[in-house]
Amino acid sequence: EAQVTQNPRYLITVTGKKLTVTCSQNMNHEYMSWYRQDPGLGLRQIYYSMNVEVTDKGDVPEGYKVSRKEKRNFPLILESPSPNQTSLYFCASRLQGRGTEAFFGQGTRLTVV
Amino acid sequence: AQTVTQSQPEMSVQEAETVTLSCTYDTSESDYYLFWYKQPPSRQMILVIRQEAYKQQNATENRFSVNFQKAAKSFSLKISDSQLGDAAMYFCAYRRGDTGNQFYFGTGTSLTVIP
Repeated sequence: EAQVTQNPRYLITVTGKKLTVTCSQNMNHEYMSWYRQDPGLGLRQIYYSMNVEVTDKGDVPEGYKVSRKEKRNFPLILESPSPNQTSLYFCASRLQGRGTEAFFGQGTRLTVV
Repeated sequence: AQTVTQSQPEMSVQEAETVTLSCTYDTSESDYYLFWYKQPPSRQMILVIRQEAYKQQNATENRFSVNFQKAAKSFSLKISDSQLGDAAMYFCAYRRGDTGNQFYFGTGTSLTVIP
């Protein structure tokens, strides 16, 4: 089954404790990206990647890191999480090309206390 | 950055009736795509429909159709014969057609379907 898989789905952590949210897609998509969803703000892009070893910032990159060492994986790293990073996170992937849709993972609900 | 505005935070519709969700966007580009995504309580984001800006014909997918007014920068979603399973958050999104690396999302409209 074609899908984007995120793990974990739920995570509660403490301020300052490094964490990684994994994302993997099995559709051989070139583009991958991370979004955060907050009430009243919709989804905002954190980082994106056009291919292996090619990443760039989105609209809200502060406090986050990413890497793209393999085409299928695009982990999101929070080196020192803070409470304002409490949010619902989505990984997405799509094929290169005009008008291609984004396929989303199941979301990760992160709470930083 | 492009902005996408959904001015209706919440909407409700009677089962089997028709409802229209509004979306406006701001861009200086002529080549772009517009999307409607559905997010049910499961949180999964599901593509409902997409529209290419160069196409004048409004996109249709079964009970879902759009009213695309390019000059007015408006992109509304019409759901006909509403079903209980249509209850969800709906997001309007914009992406440039050429090198569009980013989707720009509206703030969402929560749709309730009343039995």
